[in-house]
Amino acid sequence: EAGVTQFPSHSVIEKGQTVTLRCDPISGHDNLYWYRRVMGKEIKFLLHFVKESKQDESGMPNNRFLAERTGGTYSTLKVQPAELEDSGVYFCASRVTASTNEKLFFGSGTQLSVL
Amino acid sequence: DAKTTQPNSMESNEEEPVHLPCNHSTISGTDYIHWYRQLPSQGPEYVIHGLTSNVNNRMASLAIAEDRKSSTLILHRATLRDAAVYYCILKTSYDKVIFGPGTSLSVIP
Repeated sequence: EAGVTQFPSHSVIEKGQTVTLRCDPISGHDNLYWYRRVMGKEIKFLLHFVKESKQDESGMPNNRFLAERTGGTYSTLKVQPAELEDSGVYFCASRVTASTNEKLFFGSGTQLSVL
Repeated sequence: DAKTTQPNSMESNEEEPVHLPCNHSTISGTDYIHWYRQLPSQGPEYVIHGLTSNVNNRMASLAIAEDRKSSTLILHRATLRDAAVYYCILKTSYDKVIFGPGTSLSVIP
């Protein structure tokens, strides 16, 4: 069974450009989460989808970040325009809904560098 | 949110047991205790979780104090591949996973 996959694994862009990160959750997982870790800081929650609906987007830093999950399958996280402080590793995770305490499965992350 | 306290770092010798402590004195009755770990250059990985009783799985054991104000993750035989940051997390039903600073475990050959 395929795990959570994220693309690209690395992205280097210049300040002001746009970047789109993609996450493919495990098939059948309705819950999808985005997290990020910026240099030297803790892993921070960004938002949570249940199918195509945003359940909780309290962690989104500002309106330069846009997350979508059309059709309730894969998700994208767009940063537009990117700033230097957006550099970090962006993780995606997914979970089934059957048990609310079921474990999260994480992808390997996308390393974003904004120069 | 309920908080956990863990040591910043710990060391263990290879093939010896490791006991990673976690204090959560403000835990509520509906909080589950979850442990995740993050190996270098990888995403976090679920290790184990429990509510009141001790739990065992193929990766580790979780010992929960009777008053639930602390817990210990036990790796029965540390290997070099167990070197990682270990996160103790309290989570109620429907809650998101919130990461703290965790414990950085070093395994010495």
